[in-house]
Amino acid sequence: GAGVSQTPSNKVTEKGKYVELRCDPISGHTALYWYRQSLGQGPEFLIYFQGTGAADDSGLPNDRFFAVRPEGSVSTLKIQRTERGDSAVYLCASSRGSGLAGNTGELFFGEGSRLTVL
Amino acid sequence: GEDVEQSLFLSVREGDSSVINCTYTDSSSTYLYWYKQEPGAGLQLLTYIFSNMDMKQDQRLTVLLNKKDKHLSLRIADTQTGDSAIYFCAESPSFYYGNNRLAFGKGNQVVVIP
Repeated sequence: GAGVSQTPSNKVTEKGKYVELRCDPISGHTALYWYRQSLGQGPEFLIYFQGTGAADDSGLPNDRFFAVRPEGSVSTLKIQRTERGDSAVYLCASSRGSGLAGNTGELFFGEGSRLTVL
Repeated sequence: GEDVEQSLFLSVREGDSSVINCTYTDSSSTYLYWYKQEPGAGLQLLTYIFSNMDMKQDQRLTVLLNKKDKHLSLRIADTQTGDSAIYFCAESPSFYYGNNRLAFGKGNQVVVIP
């Protein structure tokens, strides 16, 4: 498709379980971002990939959270030993790489994966 | 650090103008943005302003930037029912370093009354 695709759209899991959330960015976008949005809040930055490498992971809340982007396209956000406080909508966004002429930093967001931890 | 503040709720009649305000903290942000989020949909960029500008007009949208006070506003003229949404302002403190990471405010919910 033409936009950012995220799967699953909804995930319900039990406390302590492992979860993977997938993001398929817009073709050709080298930059990929993960955000977390809790109810009534704005999106909160988690991690940024430029190509295959995590260029900025300062937003990951703790070591239970990890993300990969092995081929520089699809990314997976992995959450170990989920806790009830992890319940949120996880948003993925992509953008044209930095340094390109005319790059205004616009992020293109997917519709998100809603995670509920019981 | 980054801390973007917004007020929470605005109700406006169809056809009137609506104004949403935002304050930000990082004066090094290259761009400032307004994103729109409709129920069940992803965030969508509405407009943006470069940090060396005071004002930007984009059809029904007017963005005002006061760098001295770190204040950003969005005016929507002739508000329509399709404008009902949550509006987020965002700053880009690391853009200069090639990182388009954004810091978002909590959002303003705008409800347009027909």
